[in-house]
Amino acid sequence: DAGVIQSPRHEVTEMGQEVTLRCKPISGHDYLFWYRQTMMRGLELLIYFNNNVPIDDSGMPEDRFSAKMPNASFSTLKIQPSEPRDSAVYFCASSLRAIGTEAFFGQGTRLTVV
Amino acid sequence: DQQVKQNSPSLSVQEGRISILNCDYTNSMFDYFLWYKKYPAEGPTFLISISSIKDKNEDGRFTVFLNKSAKHLSLHIVPSQPGDSAVYFCAARLLYGGATNKLIFGTGTLLAVQP
Repeated sequence: DAGVIQSPRHEVTEMGQEVTLRCKPISGHDYLFWYRQTMMRGLELLIYFNNNVPIDDSGMPEDRFSAKMPNASFSTLKIQPSEPRDSAVYFCASSLRAIGTEAFFGQGTRLTVV
Repeated sequence: DQQVKQNSPSLSVQEGRISILNCDYTNSMFDYFLWYKKYPAEGPTFLISISSIKDKNEDGRFTVFLNKSAKHLSLHIVPSQPGDSAVYFCAARLLYGGATNKLIFGTGTLLAVQP
């Protein structure tokens, strides 16, 4: 398995534009997580899905952020409109419910909003 | 409100010596604790974990200690090697009756092992 795959690796966009981050979890994993890493807050959980259903989105900063998981092999995190304070590294991770307690992370998307 | 706290943003240790990374938590409902290691431009990778019913777990050079009464855990690396230089994240799992699986992370500690 190739692991969790995120795209793009880097994204630079202008304030006000829509940004879409993509994630392909490890096949067979039941859980998918979106995290944001910043210097001040470390790794913040934004939202997670179980069997494609959003379970907890309490970490989503505001209505400008939305996430979807239309099927077991794909998820998106969208920011519309983007703002400079959204600049961060966004990680997607997946895990198995029953077996592991550990989550497997993708390489992240570094987002810069100018 | 930060439920998992790593109060030391950085730590510098000599090669061959012990590295001790600390983590405090506030929620007594956490049932598993994990340490992740992160190199620059890569995603975090799982390192070691401990169940809340244990007080120690060892894996090679890495040992995690859990003190539930103090709501404190620590990661010991002995002996430290330059390749251990990375950011270390403490994480805790919040489990509700087996139905959810939520990991909450600390802010990370940057470990630098000097040759």
